Amino acid sequence: EVQLLESGGGLVQPGGSLRLSCAASGFTFSSYVVGWVRQAPGKGLEWVSGITAGGGSKYYANSVKGRLTIARDNSKNTLFLQMNSLRAEDTAIYYCAKRIVTSGGAYDSWGQGTQVTVSS
Amino acid sequence: EVVMTQSPATLSVSPGERATLSCRASQSIGSTLAWYQQKPGQAPRLLINGASTRATGIPVRFSGSGSGTEFTLTISSLQSEDFAVYYCQQYSSWPLTFGQGTRLEIK
Repeated sequence: EVQLLESGGGLVQPGGSLRLSCAASGFTFSSYVVGWVRQAPGKGLEWVSGITAGGGSKYYANSVKGRLTIARDNSKNTLFLQMNSLRAEDTAIYYCAKRIVTSGGAYDSWGQGTQVTVSS
Repeated sequence: EVVMTQSPATLSVSPGERATLSCRASQSIGSTLAWYQQKPGQAPRLLINGASTRATGIPVRFSGSGSGTEFTLTISSLQSEDFAVYYCQQYSSWPLTFGQGTRLEIK
């Protein structure tokens, strides 16, 4: 059974930093494109970032480019999101998700999310 | 960036009736479209991949159609558990993008 478990969320002041983690199990993590999707309170889904299987290519939404950095450690089956220069508008539940096939496709498995709150 | 636009924002339908949700892409994306269902307090669930392929375990009352820029999700006979928010997403090109969602409510 595929499992994705996010951690690292919390309350941070504007301008601060957080590092989110997503521990994966139940599939060959190193073979899949994975990514992060967020949802602000009462709002829709917003794609944040994606990373290819080997970690060689990384992609970002314009709203986070230059402030958030995605990374993965395939030896530990873990996905990361380093969040710097945080703003109030980054407040959201952050989900990690796995693509349905190794080459891409939709997100077929999701974690339960971790809450990030940016407030003074 | 491909902009995804869903309509309507809210759809009121009675149980047992058919629901039709629309999604439009700002440029052609072929069949690289997914539909998700999200209920309050839950993570999204994949319904449809490749515009028309049901994901594992999804009931046959859910069907997807379309290609290029116009897509449709149809729920043939609404059950109580189908009232939720539905999102489309394109995965043709980076950045991936979602529509703003359609809330399906009980009439």
